[in-house]
Amino acid sequence: AQSVAQPEDQVNVAEGNPLTVKCTYSVSGNPYLFWYVQYPNRGLQFLLKYITGDNLVKGSYGFEAEFNKSQTSFHLKKPSALVSDSALYFCAVRDDNYGQNFVFGPGTRLSVLP
Amino acid sequence: EAQVTQNPRYLITVTGKKLTVTCSQNMNHEYMSWYRQDPGLGLRQIYYSMNVEVTDKGDVPEGYKVSRKEKRNFPLILESPSPNQTSLYFCASGRDLYEQYFGPGTRLTVT
Repeated sequence: AQSVAQPEDQVNVAEGNPLTVKCTYSVSGNPYLFWYVQYPNRGLQFLLKYITGDNLVKGSYGFEAEFNKSQTSFHLKKPSALVSDSALYFCAVRDDNYGQNFVFGPGTRLSVLP
Repeated sequence: EAQVTQNPRYLITVTGKKLTVTCSQNMNHEYMSWYRQDPGLGLRQIYYSMNVEVTDKGDVPEGYKVSRKEKRNFPLILESPSPNQTSLYFCASGRDLYEQYFGPGTRLTVT
């Protein structure tokens, strides 16, 4: 079965500094990988996805993520963090051996300090 | 406006009293899904549906039922709610299996 780990419950970064939110996954087939963001009292919003092709994926709000097959990782990055990026971030995976089932990680809370 | 709506947004009920949380999307999406969000556990998929009359279990289906009689609606039914079903519930829809649009959430408390 597929699984997702987000090893950090909380990430703190100063405004203007680069940020990384880590995600590792386990699948038996080919992975489809996603990042979502959740602001307080809101539903999740899609940021970006990796399906196939270029390992560096660009998404909304200046975020990008790098797919690394050998390390089974899909870390979320942004070159320069904004205070408004503070939110809860979820990594998710769908294993093409398991049809339409999505598995989400536990979430990482990002705090960008002014 | 393209959106996923859920009702009610907040619900407090008692053990054993049947309830339904409605979900509707206006984007003509094929895929719809229900998740529950619990602290430290992230989102866990309850049920999903690829089309009308086609539903399948996610990772935590016990105690829940769903139906997909129309493309736009995907209600979540708790026949006999229990306190361990106290959670924040999200409905989502997608045109394909690569991007999901989430509703605003329903906070359910079962006493």
